[in-house]
Amino acid sequence: EAQLVESGGGLVQPGGSLRLSCVASGFTFSSYGMHWVRQAPGKGLEYVSAISSNGGSTYYANSVKGRFTISRDNTKKTLYLEMGSLRADDLAVYYCAKDLTGNANYYMDVWGKGTTVTVSS
Amino acid sequence: EIVMTQSPATLSVSPGERATLSCRASQSVGSNLAWYQQKPGQAPRLLIYGASTRATGIPARFSGSASGTEFTLIISSLQSEDFAVYYCQHYNGWPPYSFGQGTKLEIK
Repeated sequence: EAQLVESGGGLVQPGGSLRLSCVASGFTFSSYGMHWVRQAPGKGLEYVSAISSNGGSTYYANSVKGRFTISRDNTKKTLYLEMGSLRADDLAVYYCAKDLTGNANYYMDVWGKGTTVTVSS
Repeated sequence: EIVMTQSPATLSVSPGERATLSCRASQSVGSNLAWYQQKPGQAPRLLIYGASTRATGIPARFSGSASGTEFTLIISSLQSEDFAVYYCQHYNGWPPYSFGQGTKLEIK
């Protein structure tokens, strides 16, 4: 069974940095694109970023472009999200999700349970 | 950027009745539309992709349809476990892909 487990969330001050990780199991991680989606408390889902299976293509929402960096290590079956210049409105649960394909241009068929990022002084 | 608009924001339906949820795209997304279900404290779960194809393990009471830029999710006979928030999302072209704001399906 395909599974995704996020970690790395926590409390960070405004302007600070944090790195999220997402470890995959139960499928061939290196064959699939991956996504990050976040959800602020009491709010809807917001698309954050995506990366192709080989890491050669990356995509970002305008709200995080230039501040966040998505990457992956296929040998470790791990997806990352480096978050910088964090702001109060980055406070959210961050989910990683698997794409149907290697290009990260389809729907998300497997989701992790999420990790919470809190931005506060 | 494609904007996805869902309606209504909240839908109150009695168990056993039919629920109809709507999603409209601001421009054509073809059939590149997915529906997700999210229960409190849980991650979203894929229900429908390709506008009308049920994901693995999704009961037949869930169905999706499309007409141009208008998409509909129908739950034919609501069960207690169906009360949740439902999101549509397009995956047309290249990311980023936007979500609708969600429809909360609550017990009447």
